[in-house]
Amino acid sequence: DAKTTQPTSMDCAEGRAANLPCNHSTISGNEYVYWYRQIHSQGPQYIIHGLKNNETNEMASLIITEDRKSSTLILPHATLRDTAVYYCIVRVGTGGFKTIFGAGTRLFVKA
Amino acid sequence: GAGVSQTPSNKVTEKGKYVELRCDPISGHTALYWYRQSLGQGPEFLIYFQGTGAADDSGLPNDRFFAVRPEGSVSTLKIQRTERGDSAVYLCASSPTTGSSTDTQYFGPGTRLTVL
Repeated sequence: DAKTTQPTSMDCAEGRAANLPCNHSTISGNEYVYWYRQIHSQGPQYIIHGLKNNETNEMASLIITEDRKSSTLILPHATLRDTAVYYCIVRVGTGGFKTIFGAGTRLFVKA
Repeated sequence: GAGVSQTPSNKVTEKGKYVELRCDPISGHTALYWYRQSLGQGPEFLIYFQGTGAADDSGLPNDRFFAVRPEGSVSTLKIQRTERGDSAVYLCASSPTTGSSTDTQYFGPGTRLTVL
């Protein structure tokens, strides 16, 4: 399984863009990058996923480097409610469908 | 529509007791997952069901843990002879298809298990 590396924590000012990096240098060609977040005392929530093209939805944008060894999740206008742990995950492509979570990045959005 | 629900939300038990944790997936979702999350850590995969069968149970820590999904919908995670180290939040997730790399998993709120 490809592993991911994320900073332990980050701060962001309310209203500013939050850019959360993730390294996944051993990603395989058929593996997708997924982002989830977990707000305190809740289950993880899906945010976005991508293979190699940049993706955008109502929650965030996902920028994947051309070599696919890293990606960045962008929350364009962070709010206090975006304070959460953000998990970058690479899905297992064959042999099973379990999702391996790392420790994630704890994002603090400050007023 | 309704999301994934889990009951109970909290369970306190004594060491050595048997517990059952229930998960109701989103209607129509064929894939169901169980995870365990300890304080300050990411969720840890336990088992994955495709329909009624356990397609991957490699994450179950030992034979005290068992899960069933007899009708391909509701699932029960069963823990025998609980130990204090079993204390954690147990998360359930479901996804709509047969488990491809593009499946999105929808998580429930979890059951907080405390073993005294």
